Amino acid sequence: DGGITQSPKYLFRKEGQNVTLSCEQNLNHDAMYWYRQDPGQGLRLIYYSQIVNDFQKGDIAEGYSVSREKKESFPLTVTSAQKNPTAFYLCASSIDHRTYNEQFFGPGTRLTVL
Amino acid sequence: DQQVKQNSPSLSVQEGRISILNCDYTNSMFDYFLWYKKYPAEGPTFLISISSIKDKNEDGRFTVFLNKSAKHLSLHIVPSQPGDSAVYFCAATGYNNNDMRFGAGTRLTVKP
Repeated sequence: DGGITQSPKYLFRKEGQNVTLSCEQNLNHDAMYWYRQDPGQGLRLIYYSQIVNDFQKGDIAEGYSVSREKKESFPLTVTSAQKNPTAFYLCASSIDHRTYNEQFFGPGTRLTVL
Repeated sequence: DQQVKQNSPSLSVQEGRISILNCDYTNSMFDYFLWYKKYPAEGPTFLISISSIKDKNEDGRFTVFLNKSAKHLSLHIVPSQPGDSAVYFCAATGYNNNDMRFGAGTRLTVKP
């Protein structure tokens, strides 16, 4: 049963702490993406990776970091440098980075910084 | 800057009637458009798409219309069913998936 898993579903952290959000896919997709969703706004791209060991900044990469050591995994670290980290985070993957390949999304992680 | 806009945050229709969700975009370089559907506590799932060489694409009860001159697309659901109640996101992209831009979503409620 292929898909994308994100854990945890809800995450609470104190201000100033780094936190890592997990994203795993077993779809054998080359490309993976991290998006952030805030109320009343569309999904905004944080980072993307077209292939293992490669990743690029999206529109709002400041305060975030990623790694892509394995094809299946694309964890996102929200650092203390991110000014407003409370948001809903979605991970996605696609066969490759080209258009006409739909993106498959995970269920998301809601991060709340107290 | 919001290159893809869904100006109606919510829409309510009666079961069996038509639902029309609208989306406007500003970037003339977009040439592929998608609609995603999202249920609570789940990630968005792909619903239907259209490329800029077409003005209509149909899949069962779902039809997407594209008006390139107006930079406008719409999703028609006929007939609407209670199970269609969800948030619908419009998305647009050029050559690469990493350039995809999403609208803020429209919450559709279909009343029995």
